[in-house]
This record gives sequence, structure tokens and C-alpha cells, in this order.
Amino acid sequence: KQEVTQIPAALSVPEGENLVLNCSFTDSAIYNLQWFRQDPGKGLTSLLLIQSSQREQTSGRLNASLDKSSGRSTLYIAASQPGDSATYLCAVKGNTGKLIFGQGTTLQVKP
Amino acid sequence: EPEVTQTPSHQVTQMGQEVILRCVPISNHLYFYWYRQILGQKVEFLVSFYNNEISEKSEIFDDQFSVERPDGSNFTLKIRSTKLEDSAMYFCASNEFEGETQYFGPGTRLLVL
Repeated sequence: KQEVTQIPAALSVPEGENLVLNCSFTDSAIYNLQWFRQDPGKGLTSLLLIQSSQREQTSGRLNASLDKSSGRSTLYIAASQPGDSATYLCAVKGNTGKLIFGQGTTLQVKP
Repeated sequence: EPEVTQTPSHQVTQMGQEVILRCVPISNHLYFYWYRQILGQKVEFLVSFYNNEISEKSEIFDDQFSVERPDGSNFTLKIRSTKLEDSAMYFCASNEFEGETQYFGPGTRLLVL
């Protein structure tokens, strides 16, 4: 059974710092991996999707990498801003449509 | 930019009552999903729907739950007899192809008293 884990559970950094969020999964037979942002009490906003054949994807200050064989993905945020404060979720898709989520990393960027 | 919408944003109900949560997926999308998130817990898959039938359902999605696409735009989740433990945020999602990005709605917060 696929399990997704995110470390750390919470992270607090000063504005301007570069940071890395980690996601690991137990079954490497994934189809893709998606990173989301969730603001308190709100829905999920898709940030990046990496297909299993890809190593990384970039969008603006965000870069996500995928090492399928080791069951790991990282989300790199460059030059963090207070507006980046949110919970970041990773989710993996296997051979069916459903996404399996990690518990998230709650990021606080202090001005 | 097209987005998934959900109504209502909040619903309070008494235990044992029926509730219907509504979603309007993005118009050209073909695959539809319901997830839920109990406060402080992971987002959990409930059900996926394609071509007017359920593709997959989780253990959570028992006989008390049903989904329907009553017309060309709406996608509903019905809970027949709500329990206290059904209190959660319910998210609808959709995508055009199964392997592509799933787009989520803002959620319906359900509170069962």
C-alpha cells in the first residue's frame, strides 16, 4: 500500500531564504507526482506536476525534482516571501486516477 | 481561467440527515473526483468517476455515499445518513485526462452535529 510522508511537518524561515521541502513515497511504481499549496481553510492549488519519466519541473521560483527509484521528491522555493506561507502537499498517482497525499509541510516565512 | 466550483461553502447538519454536496467541474474535463480532509489529517480519496460511472472508490465510500452527474455540468456527492465522523472538508477535483493535473475546488466544509 502506498504511503506518502512529508518532512518536516513545519518550517519557519526568514524572508529571502531558499528552502527545500521533502516528500517520500514507499512504492516507486508511480505515474506522476503533484505538489499543491493549501492556504488555511481553503482549497488546493496545483503548483507543479512531474511525470514519472521526468526528473524535474520548474515554475517561477519553484523547482520540483523527482527520484522515482529512491521514492523521493523535493520542492525547492527560491528567495522565499511572506506570501509563500502556506501548507505544501505532495500527492502521488499510481496506475489508477486517485491521488495519495502526504500530511503536508506548513511553511511560515517571516518578514 | 476556468476553475472548479463547489456549493455550498459551509453546511451544518444534524446526524442522520442527508446532505448533497455540489460541484461544477471545469467544462471540458472528463474525470471527476471527490476527496475529503478531516481537520488536521491528510487529504483522502473517496471516489473517481468517468463516463457516467464510478471508476474507483475507497473503503470510506460505503453504501451511505453516492455520486451522480445529473446533467452536463454538475457532479454531486450525497451522504444518505450523516454521522459525526463525516465532519470534514470535502473537495471536488477534475481533469481532462487521467494522467494530468487534477484541479481542485475550494471545498465544502461539512459539520455534523
